[in-house]
Amino acid sequence: AQKVTQAQTEISVVEKEDVTLDCVYETRDTTYYLFWYKQPPSGELVFLIRRNSFDEQNEISGRYSWNFQKSTSSFNFTITASQVVDSAVYFCALSAPPGGYNKLIFGAGTRLAVHP
Amino acid sequence: GAVVSQHPSWVICKSGTSVKIECRSLDFQATTMFWYRQFPKQSLMLMATSNEGSKATYEQGVEKDKFLINHASLTLSTLTVTSAHPEDSSFYICSARDLGGGGYEQYFGPGTRLTVT
Repeated sequence: AQKVTQAQTEISVVEKEDVTLDCVYETRDTTYYLFWYKQPPSGELVFLIRRNSFDEQNEISGRYSWNFQKSTSSFNFTITASQVVDSAVYFCALSAPPGGYNKLIFGAGTRLAVHP
Repeated sequence: GAVVSQHPSWVICKSGTSVKIECRSLDFQATTMFWYRQFPKQSLMLMATSNEGSKATYEQGVEKDKFLINHASLTLSTLTVTSAHPEDSSFYICSARDLGGGGYEQYFGPGTRLTVT
């Protein structure tokens, strides 16, 4: 079965703190894609990153970084020195057979609140 | 690049009426678009996959006669909620794959908030 688990429903931090959003996925296939999306209060989903299953290199983009570990089926997302503008709901998603690479399976989302 | 628009951004309709939502890829061609529904404080659930020039593929449990999808061109897909009822009130989001981008990421529209009274 394919599944994405984001165990943290809500996280509240103070500005400048580092925060890590957890994502654990399940799939039996060896080829799959993982994504992170940001949904600010306006509602529009913003694509953050895509990672395929063969690329375990961690990635850093400014204050954002991602840690992909196949051994633990995790794809965690860290925001360094958080800012109020980071407040949003963050979704981790998986696409893999047999659902097909078209189908995105979303986790429940983690609501991040960054307070000044 | 990879901008997807939706129209309208919000709509209020009376029970029993039909509502059409448009999804457009503005700067790329999308042979495949997707329609999602999101209830308050919940995740996105895929409703159907819209393929240009062919019938849409619906997810299990989604009534195809109630949610009519038309993908008439490479940049436009429409979702029509027929005979809407209050339980259809939700946030509807479309997305499109930019095949020219070489990846599998989907770019999402801003969403349409439907309220059925």
